[in-house]
Amino acid sequence: EVQLVESGGGLVQPGGSLRLSCAASGFTFSNYAMNWVRQAPGKGLEWVSTISGNTVSTYYADSVKGRFTISRDNSKNTVSLQMNSLRAEDTAVYYCAKKASGGAYNWFDPWGQGTPVTVSS
Amino acid sequence: EIVMTQSPATLSVSPGERATLSCRASQSVDSNLAWYQQKPGQAPRLLIYDASTRATDIPARFSGSGSGTEFTLTISSLQSEDFAVYYCQQYNKGPPWTFGQGTKVEIK
Repeated sequence: EVQLVESGGGLVQPGGSLRLSCAASGFTFSNYAMNWVRQAPGKGLEWVSTISGNTVSTYYADSVKGRFTISRDNSKNTVSLQMNSLRAEDTAVYYCAKKASGGAYNWFDPWGQGTPVTVSS
Repeated sequence: EIVMTQSPATLSVSPGERATLSCRASQSVDSNLAWYQQKPGQAPRLLIYDASTRATDIPARFSGSGSGTEFTLTISSLQSEDFAVYYCQQYNKGPPWTFGQGTKVEIK
């Protein structure tokens, strides 16, 4: 069974930093791109970032580009999201999600349970 | 960026009735569309991909249709566990991979 378990969320002041992690199991981790998707309180889903299985390619939403960095450790089956210069509008539940297929297209399955991030003074 | 628009925002349906949810893309996404279900306090769950293929263990009462810019998710006979928020997502062109704003299916 594929499992994704996020950690690292919490309360941080504006301008601060936080590092989220996602531990994966149940599949050949290095074969799949991994994603972060967030959901602000009471709002919809927003794709944040993607990293390819071989770590060569990374992608970011414009809203986080230059502030967030995605990385992965295929020896430990983990993917991380380093979040710097955090803003109030980054407040959200952050989900780790596996790229569902091994092909070119990026839909998400499964999702982790999410880790909440609150940016507030 | 491809903008996804879902309608209606809220759908009130009685148990046992059919629910029809719509998703429109600002440009063609071919059949590269997924649907997700999200219940309160839970992570989204994949229901449909490639516009009409049910994901593993998804009941047959869920069906998807459409291609290009117009898509539909139909729940043939609503069960109590189906009351949730449903999102569509295009993966034809990205990044960014974009979601609709969601349709809440509530008990009438």
